[in-house]
Amino acid sequence: GENVEQHPSTLSVQEGDSAVIKCTYSDSASNYFPWYKQELGKGPQLIIDIRSNVGEKKDQRIAVTLNKTAKHFSLHITETQPEDSAVYFCAAEDFGNEKLTFGTGTRLTIIP
Amino acid sequence: NAGVMQNPRHLVRRRGQEARLRCSPMKGHSHVYWYRQLPEEGLKFMVYLQKENIIDESGMPKERFSAEFPKEGPSILRIQQVVRGDSAAYFCASSPREREPLADTQYFGPGTRLTVL
Repeated sequence: GENVEQHPSTLSVQEGDSAVIKCTYSDSASNYFPWYKQELGKGPQLIIDIRSNVGEKKDQRIAVTLNKTAKHFSLHITETQPEDSAVYFCAAEDFGNEKLTFGTGTRLTIIP
Repeated sequence: NAGVMQNPRHLVRRRGQEARLRCSPMKGHSHVYWYRQLPEEGLKFMVYLQKENIIDESGMPKERFSAEFPKEGPSILRIQQVVRGDSAAYFCASSPREREPLADTQYFGPGTRLTVL
């Protein structure tokens, strides 16, 4: 089955700087890659996603890149703000399986 | 449009009791997924259901756990004879799963935090 690895597990960034979180996946059939933000005591909130026919997608300060050959994808947050502090999870889905396999999460702390 | 709703938000059970977790998907969504999250870990898939059908239960423990999504009403995740190892946050997600660009997107509820004493 699919295996998703996520790095780093913790990340501290000065407010205003950029943050990058990386994930690799094992199943070349995976074709959908969402990123979720989870705040303490809450459910995961979708922040951006990318499909295998696209190499990059951007939404304001958030961008995701996908390298299908290398089987890795990354989340980029620019101009970080204190409210970006949370745990971020990457995930991968093989449409045939229709279930998400999650990474182990990155705890992002924005230092004011 | 209300999001995915789960109740209760917190549930305390003693060992050997039953736990029932409920999930109402977003309006118009007919596909429900259950995930479990242990402290400081990622989410693990348990089961995928459509109305009246279990599609994939490959992540569900073989004993004590069951799930249903009846024609009317919420999806139910049922844990019989709970043990301390069942303590976790249980999240439900829903998706429309129709032939639309966003069909794969899963939207999560706030979760039920189960504590087994």
